Amino acid sequence: DADVTQTPRNRITKTGKRIMLECSQTKGHDRMYWYRQDPGLGLRLIYYSFDVKDINKGEISDGYSVSRQAQAKFSLSLESAIPNQTALYFCATSDPPRSSGVEQFFGPGTRLTVL
Amino acid sequence: GENVEQHPSTLSVQEGDSAVIKCTYSDSASNYFPWYKQELGKRPQLIIDIRSNVGEKKDQRIAVTLNKTAKHFSLHITETQPEDSAVYFCAASFRGAQKLVFGQGTRLTINP
Repeated sequence: DADVTQTPRNRITKTGKRIMLECSQTKGHDRMYWYRQDPGLGLRLIYYSFDVKDINKGEISDGYSVSRQAQAKFSLSLESAIPNQTALYFCATSDPPRSSGVEQFFGPGTRLTVL
Repeated sequence: GENVEQHPSTLSVQEGDSAVIKCTYSDSASNYFPWYKQELGKRPQLIIDIRSNVGEKKDQRIAVTLNKTAKHFSLHITETQPEDSAVYFCAASFRGAQKLVFGQGTRLTINP
């Protein structure tokens, strides 16, 4: 089945380290998104991309960067990790919307702990 | 600004009873309102959505209602079962349909 995958699934790192989280999809979707999930704060959008040459900031992009290497791959980087970036990170994909929105399909998540 | 408020944050109901979760949104141009269910340790998955040209949509025990004038929408689950226990997120589209903004989530517990 077509799917969204994320690597690694769990990562523990130290303050100041550079970290990359990777997302791949076989759904053939053009749009890809990175969210972080914190208890009581829901899912907050970090970055999103509508195609290989398109990158857009979400509501909480500070401290993060992304790369869209191909239609199927979208990576999230933390240049210098800090403890308040400890969270569950989700990648998601979707088709372009018609007149209104469409379903987003989420990956399994990456649990990141910054010590 | 872009904002979706979701209430309550936690909800506990007896098996067989109904559960209602409510959300309000800020952008009057929002036109798509999905609800996602996240079981423990799993990824969020769409359970139902509604577009701004309808006021209500039902799928078996789940229904969503939309009041565009008041800018709020609600999820209704009837005859709740233990497998309904999960975190539920509402969302609304912003900037046309470019992105979704999610509510804070509701942890629903069904007591046997």
